[in-house]
Formats: sequence, C-alpha cells, structure tokens
Amino acid sequence: DTAVSQTPKYLVTQMGNDKSIKCEQNLGHDTMYWYKQDSKKFLKIMFSYNNKELIINETVPNRFSPKSPDKAHLNLHINSLELGDSAVYFCASSSSASYPRNTIYFGEGSWLTVV
Amino acid sequence: GIQVEQSPPDLILQEGANSTLRCNFSDSVNNLQWFHQNPWGQLINLFYIPSGTKQNGRLSATTVATERYSLLYISSSQTTDSGVYFCAVERALNDMRFGAGTRLTVKP
Repeated sequence: DTAVSQTPKYLVTQMGNDKSIKCEQNLGHDTMYWYKQDSKKFLKIMFSYNNKELIINETVPNRFSPKSPDKAHLNLHINSLELGDSAVYFCASSSSASYPRNTIYFGEGSWLTVV
Repeated sequence: GIQVEQSPPDLILQEGANSTLRCNFSDSVNNLQWFHQNPWGQLINLFYIPSGTKQNGRLSATTVATERYSLLYISSSQTTDSGVYFCAVERALNDMRFGAGTRLTVKP
C-alpha cells in the first residue's frame, strides 16, 4: 500500500486551463502539505493543513486553491494555468501528535507541464 | 522567515569515498530532518534529528542545535547514493522549510 499517493503522476495541459491534483494518505496523519519543486530542485512549501485547518499559506497566487475534505485528503486545484506553474508538485503528510513529531512522508510527485 | 543554507551545492565523489554535507539554519528550530531525493525524483526521509547524533548504516547525522547547524556523513559512498540531499527545519508548527540541497554524484 502506498502511504502517500498523488494523482495524476504526469499532467500536460495548455495555458489557461484549470486542473486538479489529488492526494491521499493512509498513515493516519493529521497534517498534510503541498510543496512545489522548480527546475532547480528547490522545494518550496505552498500550504499545510492540520486536521483540515489551513495552517500555512505561503504567498501562493490565489489561482491555487487547496481543499481538505478530511484528514486523509488534500487536493490542489489550479485555475488559469500559466507557463510558470510548470513544476513537480509534492504532497506530503506527517503526524504532529506522535514521536518523532512531524516526520514527513512524501508522495511520488505530480509532474505538471503547461504548454 | 528562517534561512536554511546547505553546502556544498554540488559534490562529485569516486565510489568508496566519504563525504560531509552541511546545513546551517538562522534560528532555533523544533525539528530538523534530512532527505534524499533519488534520480527518479522520490524523496525519502533519512533522519529526524533536531539534536544529537544518529547512525543508520553508512549514513550518520549530527545536529548541534545551539550552534544552528547539522551535518550528514556518508561513508564508503556508492553510486546509489547519488541524488540530492535536503535539510529541512521546522520553526513554527507544521511549517517545514527546505534548504536548496546538495547535489551528489558518485562515480563508479
């Protein structure tokens, strides 16, 4: 069983389209994250949610809207896609309640290419 | 916000060599982790190490929290160690920030 799973793994889409990336974790964690990795491999936090509550919203354009229907899911919807949105998006999860606290587990990434 | 600096940015080793990767951070942290991203993009957690020393096989890590740095040691490197090594720190709860990484290439 994959602990943190993201779909789709690859996505090629045109500028201006709207797309979603889904993430699910089966680890029983209470915290989920979205990270963006650019072409230089820099990993930047976009959002974190704890128990479905938004904790971190890191100066991300409001075209990006996360949604957490429950603790096990955190989806990312992107409106009006731009060329600069091309990147790898990683979902991750952790537990803030157990030790070692907030050890992060990553999904396999979603490769988004905007053309 | 907190600054996380990793050095060196790039490292090329011959198989069998040892190496030390460094992570400096600008403020006190609650949590520090080391990750390896393999050439296929998979991110694996290596160590949870907000302080002290841990070892796992050929890898070990030491964090000196009072001096705001952490070191990752790789001994007897193998080609499968290639990839990018990231340090990540958590200052505020659920806010994990990553350094820019060290890109390691191990040649056979």
